[in-house]
Amino acid sequence: AQKITQTQPGMFVQEKEAVTLDCTYDTSDQSYGLFWYKQPSSGEMIFLIYQGSYDEQNATEGRYSLNFQKARKSANLVISASQLGDSAMYFCAMREPGTASKLTFGTGTRLQVTL
Amino acid sequence: NAGVTQTPKFQVLKTGQSMTLQCAQDMNHEYMSWYRQDPGMGLRLIHYSVGAGITDQGEVPNGYNVSRSTTEDFPLRLLSAAPSQTSVYFCASSPSHAGNTIYFGEGSWLTVV
Repeated sequence: AQKITQTQPGMFVQEKEAVTLDCTYDTSDQSYGLFWYKQPSSGEMIFLIYQGSYDEQNATEGRYSLNFQKARKSANLVISASQLGDSAMYFCAMREPGTASKLTFGTGTRLQVTL
Repeated sequence: NAGVTQTPKFQVLKTGQSMTLQCAQDMNHEYMSWYRQDPGMGLRLIHYSVGAGITDQGEVPNGYNVSRSTTEDFPLRLLSAAPSQTSVYFCASSPSHAGNTIYFGEGSWLTVV
């Protein structure tokens, strides 16, 4: 069974600073996909970034980058130059191999960006 | 392009009532799923479908039924609502191939009293 662990229930970061949100995962599969989603207070799930287990380079999407350390089974999200609009819940998720949309989610990290 | 559409957005039910949460996608995706999100937790998979006529159980299927008669629609039925089913429900869809294209609906807030 797959498991996602997010150990930071809440984080604070000052505007314009960088922040790292931690995610570790547990799987016995060699092929898997890792996702990060943002959930603002309005409730929708917004896709941020994806990393495939065989991708050799860390994924980047604008201000978001994924620090993928396969041997440590970690997939931390780095947000650079934080903005007030980044305040939200952030979820790490893993896709079950061979499926397109069976995801296992972590419990999330609530990020608060301050002035 | 509407993407994934869920209805209703908000619903209050009495214990024992039945209802159906609707989910429709207009992207011709083969894979569709239903998740629930409880306070302090991530999303948990209820049921999923890999195509019309094919469904299977996820992590928390008890109390829910699904069917997939068309590619576009994947309704979730609560046959006899219980307070434990108070939650936010998300529908998701994706193409059959792997990658990062998993689209979520906006969520349906359900309260069972």
